[in-house]
Amino acid sequence: SQQGEEDPQALSIQEGENATMNCSYKTSINNLQWYRQNSGRGLVHLILIRSNEREKHSGRLRVTLDTSKKSSSLLITASRAADTASYFCATDHNQAGTALIFGKGTTLSVSS
Amino acid sequence: DVKVTQSSRYLVKRTGEKVFLECVQDMDHENMFWYRQDPGLGLRLIYFSYDVKMKEKGDIPEGYSVSREKKERFSLILESASTNQTSMYLCASSLLLPNYGYTFGSGTRLTVV
Repeated sequence: SQQGEEDPQALSIQEGENATMNCSYKTSINNLQWYRQNSGRGLVHLILIRSNEREKHSGRLRVTLDTSKKSSSLLITASRAADTASYFCATDHNQAGTALIFGKGTTLSVSS
Repeated sequence: DVKVTQSSRYLVKRTGEKVFLECVQDMDHENMFWYRQDPGLGLRLIYFSYDVKMKEKGDIPEGYSVSREKKERFSLILESASTNQTSMYLCASSLLLPNYGYTFGSGTRLTVV
């Protein structure tokens, strides 16, 4: 299956800074989702943006979607050490017999 | 608090053993999924199920089978474990309706020696 690709693979910032990570995908989607994974644990759903939406906010998270460029970005504002984790985008291609397709993730490190 | 529970956090098995990984959800979700996660490869879908006794192959079903006898339980079976099946296994569930996220379990780190 075709995966989303996150960029960058790794990101290191200081507490208080903003973190931006990007996701590109290849075929049309029904929605795009972002997940967080703390080291060695399961994934936690953060936010879902539908294909007809351009921007969505949840607390310190802002997600944008550009379907013409087949790309999305996740912005975490005022980062905290607790935001240190891997972040994955996942695409729902709304085809019968398919499930979410995950990218390889961006590893975010926030130092205090 | 809604949950997806994977029976083991860590598991060590020998090559050739039959291995059962269990996953139980308490959210009455129709869909359940098994992914494996490997460094540099991300999450890859093994099998999923959208109803009791129903199953669909994912991207890498070879060497695995699944069982869903009850709505809340989805088991992953390694018929004859091999060292290349050493991995983190993640179970997830979701509603059948569109535009809902997945709820993941904490994962089972399986080592085959």
